[in-house]
Amino acid sequence: GESVGLHLPTLSVQEGDNSIINCAYSNSASDYFIWYKQESGKGPQFIIDIRSNMDKRQGQRVTVLLNKTVKHLSLQIAATQPGDSAVYFCAENIGYGGSQGNLIFGKGTKLSVKP
Amino acid sequence: IAGITQAPTSQILAAGRRMTLRCTQDMRHNAMYWYRQDLGLGLRLIHYSNTAGTTGKGEVPDGYSVSRANTDDFPLTLASAVPSQTSVYFCASSGEMNTEAFFGQGTRLTVV
Repeated sequence: GESVGLHLPTLSVQEGDNSIINCAYSNSASDYFIWYKQESGKGPQFIIDIRSNMDKRQGQRVTVLLNKTVKHLSLQIAATQPGDSAVYFCAENIGYGGSQGNLIFGKGTKLSVKP
Repeated sequence: IAGITQAPTSQILAAGRRMTLRCTQDMRHNAMYWYRQDLGLGLRLIHYSNTAGTTGKGEVPDGYSVSRANTDDFPLTLASAVPSQTSVYFCASSGEMNTEAFFGQGTRLTVV
């Protein structure tokens, strides 16, 4: 079957450094991707999204890159801060019976920021 | 604006008992979803509803049922709970096609 996966389960970075979290997807029909941040005891929180007609999208301190050739998605966080410590999930939008937006999630990467 | 509200926050349930997890949204979103989150497995879709009056099965629907009588509410029912249903359950909703889903704070369910 097709699934969304992550290359690294954990990532530790120094405060102020840039972080890169990677994600591989295998569903070539997916046309929408999202990155979520989940802090302990909370629900996933939207960070940034990208559609398949784009290669790059930037937000505040975050950039998502999409490489459709190798089916790879990455999240870059600039000047990582302690508040960025969380588990990060990538998700792809696939349809179930024509539904509008069921998200399939990767297993998550835990980002730890060292002061 | 509350967004999505789930209840209860946590519950310990005896195996074999029936349980309904409640989910209410005030964003007038058409689509709603139930996910379960287990360590090492990420979030997996249980059931979804594209609009009031319709529901569908996700990746892991067995042992669960849902209903969508109106736009705001999307309850998830465990007819006869089993220990493997111990998990954190998240309800979510989304508006237009290809927009993000908003998540509730989760219900931590332990079946003993």
